[in-house]
Amino acid sequence: ETGVTQTPRHLVMGMTNKKSLKCEQHLGHNAMYWYKQSAKKPLELMFVYSLEERVENNSVPSRFSPECPNSSHLFLHLHTLQPEDSALYLCASSQDFPNEKLFFGSGTQLSVL
Amino acid sequence: DQQVKQNSPSLSVQEGRISILNCDYTNSMFDYFLWYKKYPAEGPTFLISISSIKDKNEDGRFTVFLNKSAKHLSLHIVPSQPGDSAVYFCAGTSGSRLTFGEGTQLTVNP
Repeated sequence: ETGVTQTPRHLVMGMTNKKSLKCEQHLGHNAMYWYKQSAKKPLELMFVYSLEERVENNSVPSRFSPECPNSSHLFLHLHTLQPEDSALYLCASSQDFPNEKLFFGSGTQLSVL
Repeated sequence: DQQVKQNSPSLSVQEGRISILNCDYTNSMFDYFLWYKKYPAEGPTFLISISSIKDKNEDGRFTVFLNKSAKHLSLHIVPSQPGDSAVYFCAGTSGSRLTFGEGTQLTVNP
């Protein structure tokens, strides 16, 4: 596999569920990102990890919890989400941080019921 | 405060003609600008960039123009092809964070 892979592609969850989004990059990059794209809105940066250390946390509610166990993997743990959290969640990586050239995965389309 | 705005949510162009996508920004600290392209069910992919010290950057059919005094960025695609149909996002950065616009859906009709 090459590039940035995200699983699952689609996720439907209830407000009381706990789920996790997974991202894996096969590019040898040192930085990984979570972005959120809501309908008709710009991509919003949620978290950035560089060399497995969190370097940006963009005022994201605590019901979103990131984890970066190594430079190739990134998780977003979800719990007690709200319907307004329904969005496309995109993972990205870059060679280093900061770096404006990002490589995105295909995203997880999340629906919270 | 939305620092990057793409005022046209959609644009339709005939194959072979020029596509011009526009972007306005408010943050004068941006030192680099980029365009990303996104196909349905795929993540955005980097297309072209320009440093704030330049006013033009060209890569094949794609040219980005920067007018710093007007805080305006545009992407020209010549000639447009049906495969260019996608959502185009402009973004600015002042170091550590990319700030994206809302995107413009370009449709190139055969």
